[in-house]
Amino acid sequence: AQKVTQAQTEISVVEKEDVTLDCVYETRDTTYYLFWYKQPPSGELVFLIRRNSFDEQNEISGRYSWNFQKSTSSFNFTITASQVVDSAVYFCALIETSGSRLTFGEGTQLTVNP
Amino acid sequence: DAGITQSPRHKVTETGTPVTLRCHQTENHRYMYWYRQDPGHGLRLIHYSYGVKDTDKGEVSDGYSVSRSKTEDFLLTLESATSSQTSVYFCAISEGGARLYEQYFGPGTRLTVT
Repeated sequence: AQKVTQAQTEISVVEKEDVTLDCVYETRDTTYYLFWYKQPPSGELVFLIRRNSFDEQNEISGRYSWNFQKSTSSFNFTITASQVVDSAVYFCALIETSGSRLTFGEGTQLTVNP
Repeated sequence: DAGITQSPRHKVTETGTPVTLRCHQTENHRYMYWYRQDPGHGLRLIHYSYGVKDTDKGEVSDGYSVSRSKTEDFLLTLESATSSQTSVYFCAISEGGARLYEQYFGPGTRLTVT
C-alpha cells in the first residue's frame, strides 16, 4: 500500500530564513510519481512539481528546490530566503503508475513571519 | 488555469437530505476526480472517472455516488447527508497522455451538514 508521511505538522520561520519540508513515502511499485502542492490561506491547491521515480536529479525553480532520494524514500522541499507569501500548507503526494489514486500526506503548515 | 469550476462553493444542509456537487471543466480532459479534505487526513479520493459513464471507487466512497454523462461534468451525490460528510470537497482533472499523473484541482466546495 502506498503511504506518504509529512512528519512536520507546523513550521514557523522568520522571513529570509531557508526552510526544508520533509516528505517520506512508501510504495511497492518501482514506477511512481511524486508531487508537491501548495494550499495558501485562500484554499485552492496549487501544483508545484512532479517527479518520476526514474529521475533522481534535483530540481531548482527560483527559490524552490526539491531533493529526491530513492535510497531514503524521501522527496524534500526547500524554500530559500522565505517570504511571507510562502505561508501556506504544503502537501506531498504519491501516485503509483499501476493505480489511479493520488495519496497525500497530511500536510505541513508553514508560517513565515515578517 | 485548468478551467475547473465547482458549484456550489459553499453549502449548508441538514442531515438526511440529498446533496449534489458539480464539477465542470472546459478543457475536455478525460480524467476527473473527487476528493475530500479533512483535518488530519490530507486529501482522500472518493471516486474518479476515466471517461463518460466510466467511473470507479476511491479510498472513501461509502455514502457517495457519482455520474458523468458528459465529458465536461462530473457530479458527486450524497444520497443522504450525514455530519461525517462535513468537509471540503475538491474536484480534479488530469490531462492524460504524458501528463496523466498530474492532477489539477478546482477551487473546492465547503459542505456543512448540520
